[in-house]
Amino acid sequence: EAGVAQSPRYKIIEKRQSVAFWCNPISGHATLYWYQQILGQGPKLLIQFQNNGVVDDSQLPKDRFSAERLKGVDSTLKIQPAKLEDSAVYLCASSLSGSSSQYFGAGTRLSVL
Amino acid sequence: DQQVKQNSPSLSVQEGRISILNCDYTNSMFDYFLWYKKYPAEGPTFLISISSIKDKNEDGRFTVFLNKSAKHLSLHIVPSQPGDSAVYFCAASAGSGNTPLVFGKGTRLSVIA
Repeated sequence: EAGVAQSPRYKIIEKRQSVAFWCNPISGHATLYWYQQILGQGPKLLIQFQNNGVVDDSQLPKDRFSAERLKGVDSTLKIQPAKLEDSAVYLCASSLSGSSSQYFGAGTRLSVL
Repeated sequence: DQQVKQNSPSLSVQEGRISILNCDYTNSMFDYFLWYKKYPAEGPTFLISISSIKDKNEDGRFTVFLNKSAKHLSLHIVPSQPGDSAVYFCAASAGSGNTPLVFGKGTRLSVIA
């Protein structure tokens, strides 16, 4: 069974530029999560989707971050414009409906210079 | 305000001995707890979980203990192996369904041969 796929693995941009990350969850997983992990911290939830609907985006900085999951499968997370403090690993996870077992992708490491 | 705390950033243990990783939480609504293991450049991998209706859950070399009155849980690894060297994250949720996970900062375990 293929795992959660994320791309790119690494991205370096300058502040005020835009960046987008892509995630393809495990087939059949209705729930998709985006987490931000700053160095030395645990992952922090940004947004949770159930199929193509948003369940929780209370911790998403909506002035600069946006995410979509239009067809209820893969998802994109965008930052526009990026700030220095956005430097982090962005992790995508998925789970079956009703399950707490989340499966994580390898993440995208973002460096904002 | 950190709701899930892992107060030991690192731990070194000799191969064959027991590793004990600790986690404290403050939110009384948390009733489902998970441990994840993370190797460098990979996403977190689910290890073991426990519901608040139990005080112990065992899976091979891994045992998680939950003390609800103290809001404390611990992960025991016996015997420890060099391949167990990784960062271990404690996570908690209010409910065992698709509820968001709140992570601690992690503890880096080094198992010395």
